[in-house]
Amino acid sequence: NAGVTQTPKFQVLKTGQSMTLQCAQDMNHNSMYWYRQDPGMGLRLIYYSASEGTTDKGEVPNGYNVSRLNKREFSLRLESAAPSQTSVYFCASGLSEGGKNIQYFGAGTRLSVL
Amino acid sequence: QKEVEQDPGPLSVPEGAIVSLNCTYSNSAFQYFMWYRQYSRKGPELLMYTYSSGNKEDGRFTAQVDKSSKYISLFIRDSQPSDSATYLCANARTGGFKTIFGAGTRLFVKA
Repeated sequence: NAGVTQTPKFQVLKTGQSMTLQCAQDMNHNSMYWYRQDPGMGLRLIYYSASEGTTDKGEVPNGYNVSRLNKREFSLRLESAAPSQTSVYFCASGLSEGGKNIQYFGAGTRLSVL
Repeated sequence: QKEVEQDPGPLSVPEGAIVSLNCTYSNSAFQYFMWYRQYSRKGPELLMYTYSSGNKEDGRFTAQVDKSSKYISLFIRDSQPSDSATYLCANARTGGFKTIFGAGTRLFVKA
C-alpha cells in the first residue's frame, strides 16, 4: 500500500525550462491537491481537484498548470520555471466523509530553479 | 492577517516534559481542526482531528479547541525524542475541500 507517490524526489532546473511533477494515489480518494512549502510560509495550495474531471485554482496558481489524468493521477506542470518557484512541492489526496476532508501527503519533490 | 497562525519556534524541551503547542485562527466558519506532524524532509502526516469545540485524547496527545477565542492547542505528555518534528495546525470548513495550514512550530525533544 504505497499511499501517495510523487516523482521525481529532487530536480534542478534552469530558468525557463519546463517540467511536470507526477503524483499518483492508490487510496481511491476523490480529491487531490498540490501544495508548495516555503520556509516561514507553511503549505500554500496551488491547485486542487475535487473529483476526476475538475480542477480549481488555489492560493498561488500563477506559473503552474495541472491535469487530473484519472482518479489516481494528478500532475503539476511548470511551463517556464522561475527562481521564485524554488520550493518543496507536496501532492495530497483527500478522504471526504461525514463532512470532513482529511488529506494524505506524499514525500515531496524538492525543486531548485537556477 | 493569516487565517491560521502559529509560533514558529523552535521549542526545545527535555525528554519527559509536557509540551503545549498553540494555534489561532480568524475564520469563524472553520469546523474541523487538525494537527499534522512533519518530520524533517518528509511529508506531513495527520496526527489528530477534532470537530467543533472540546477536547480529544489519543494516547499521549490531547487536542483542545476553544471556538469562542479561536484558539487551538495540542498537548504532548511524556514527550520523547521521536516527537521532534514540525507540528502544523490546519483548519477546514464542513464539507469543504480546502484546508488552511499554519506555518508550523518546530519542536525539539532532548534526550
